[in-house]
Amino acid sequence: DAKTTQPTSMDCAEGRAANLPCNHSTISGNEYVYWYRQIHSQGPQYIIHGLKNNETNEMASLIITEDRKSSTLILPHATLRDTAVYYCIVRNSGNTPLVFGKGTRLSVIA
Amino acid sequence: DVKVTQSSRYLVKRTGEKVFLECVQDMDHENMFWYRQDPGLGLRLIYFSYDVKMKEKGDIPEGYSVSREKKERFSLILESASTNQTSMYLCASSSPGQGTETQYFGPGTRLLVL
Repeated sequence: DAKTTQPTSMDCAEGRAANLPCNHSTISGNEYVYWYRQIHSQGPQYIIHGLKNNETNEMASLIITEDRKSSTLILPHATLRDTAVYYCIVRNSGNTPLVFGKGTRLSVIA
Repeated sequence: DVKVTQSSRYLVKRTGEKVFLECVQDMDHENMFWYRQDPGLGLRLIYFSYDVKMKEKGDIPEGYSVSREKKERFSLILESASTNQTSMYLCASSSPGQGTETQYFGPGTRLLVL
């Protein structure tokens, strides 16, 4: 699987949009971009995934660049409960396990 | 909602003990996984299974074994626990798909080996 690069940490003011970037410059055509998050002392939680098109669900939006070499996870109105480590993962279409990197530690500040 | 449960949230064992960590999922998922998580090292895959009685080694299988006798249950076994196996252990399950499968994680078991 392709590797991803994420900032180690970010801060966001409560109520503002949190934009978490991810670089995946070696992504191949059949690899999806996944985002998970892990709140302290809990297991990781799926957020969203996409292949080429932008995606939105009740938790977040995923913006993938046209060349697919980078993406941004957007939490439109961050709350204190969004404080967590966010993982960007690329994974091929086969039945392979997720490989987690170090992720971005997002701190939402009141 | 998918539910993945792990037998214990916290566990304290002595060096040399045989330790069983149990994971059960209720969504009839074919795939199950065991990870460990350590500060600065992130989540690392120990073993996984795509079907009953099948197992595959992950990135760090040494010192561990697994058992999958029933579809819903995946056990991680530490044959002889050592202090370097003190860690957070996370179980996950998923159903196979064409790149779109989602892994659901349990709450984790924090194991301390003394």
